[in-house]
Amino acid sequence: AQSVSQHNHHVILSEAASLELGCNYSYGGTVNLFWYVQYPGQHLQLLLKYFSGDPLVKGIKGFEAEFIKSKFSFNLRKPSVQWSDTAEYFCAVNLLTSGGSYIPTFGRGTSLIVHP
Amino acid sequence: SQTIHQWPATLVQPVGSPLSLECTVEGTSNPNLYWYRQAAGRGLQLLFYSVGIGQISSEVPQNLSASRPQDRQFILSSKKLLLSDSGFYLCAWSDGGGYTFGSGTRLTVV
Repeated sequence: AQSVSQHNHHVILSEAASLELGCNYSYGGTVNLFWYVQYPGQHLQLLLKYFSGDPLVKGIKGFEAEFIKSKFSFNLRKPSVQWSDTAEYFCAVNLLTSGGSYIPTFGRGTSLIVHP
Repeated sequence: SQTIHQWPATLVQPVGSPLSLECTVEGTSNPNLYWYRQAAGRGLQLLFYSVGIGQISSEVPQNLSASRPQDRQFILSSKKLLLSDSGFYLCAWSDGGGYTFGSGTRLTVV
């Protein structure tokens, strides 16, 4: 069965530290990839997405992610985190089925706490 | 622009009572619609999805059901709630370009 793995469940960083959150998926077909963020008390928001083209994707708030097809990975990065980046981060894979439907699968999420 | 409405925001229901959570989407036609349950440390679990009116797919066996009576309306229901149905339920829609989530319903079964 298709799955999405986020290996870091809890990450604690100091401001200005660099961030990398891992995301791996298990599926060999056509995929679309997403990172979502959920700030405390707020809705899930789209950070960035990859459909095709340049595997290095730039998102909002200085985030980026790199799709490495050979590794089935889509890791999220930010060179210098801020206290306001404290949130829950979810990786998602949108699988295109033979029937033309998208089957979305989310990782368990990574809780990021940034200390000022 | 597209918007998604989900209500109620919070709900406290006794065990054995029925449930109906509603989700409506505006500004789009024939969206894919989804119901998720979000649990701390477990991420988002897909419960149901629908690609069209009357078309419902269930991802996990459970005490809940879903219906899509209109193109932009998606309803999550139960005939008799269990304690284990407590949780945070999210509706989402997609046109293939990503997902837009509703504000969620916090359901507490007592």
